[in-house]
Amino acid sequence: DSGVTQTPKHLITATGQRVTLRCSPRSGDLSVYWYQQSLDQGLQFLIQYYNGEERAKGNILERFSAQQFPDLHSELNLSSLELGDSALYFCASSVGGLTYNEQFFGPGTRLTVL
Amino acid sequence: DAKTTQPNSMESNEEEPVHLPCNHSTISGTDYIHWYRQLPSQGPEYVIHGLTSNVNNRMASLAIAEDRKSSTLILHRATLRDAAVYYCILSTGNQFYFGTGTSLTVIP
Repeated sequence: DSGVTQTPKHLITATGQRVTLRCSPRSGDLSVYWYQQSLDQGLQFLIQYYNGEERAKGNILERFSAQQFPDLHSELNLSSLELGDSALYFCASSVGGLTYNEQFFGPGTRLTVL
Repeated sequence: DAKTTQPNSMESNEEEPVHLPCNHSTISGTDYIHWYRQLPSQGPEYVIHGLTSNVNNRMASLAIAEDRKSSTLILHRATLRDAAVYYCILSTGNQFYFGTGTSLTVIP
């Protein structure tokens, strides 16, 4: 158990819909990262927040957005969903915001778009 | 344009050392090399990271080539619990680039 929690575990929705994935970092961690894992693209870094501010952006689509709240939990919003958005979405957290900080990954949210 | 390349799969006998290679020929001076592993149905788990020098921790060793264009993750004595997909990752600036991973099978 990494100490990072993600909800929900599974999500099934239809094309065109909008969903919100939630992540609670480990106690004391200020950074939250979001990743997408799909069969064809592998693991891809989406976005990083540090203490409420966006720190880095990876391959995140414009239809996707994220935020980190004052209590440090984070939400990833996915809108206008397409079949290709079906994937495992992981959240990770780290103490600092630097690239060499060890990241602790949550169990993931499996999104299925029908 | 892959930043890291890894073999798709490797096998090792239990209690033998395992050397997992990674090529990162486009690495730049400030890029860190990370290794994470992912057990079935779990999120990735940190293994080790380094910049220029070889690194050791309780899980593994990381050997970095002098020109930094390749690295090798060394598991000193493979156990059945080490069966996982091992990802070699470059962090550059604030970006993280995952390789396709090496699926390690440990044979009892």
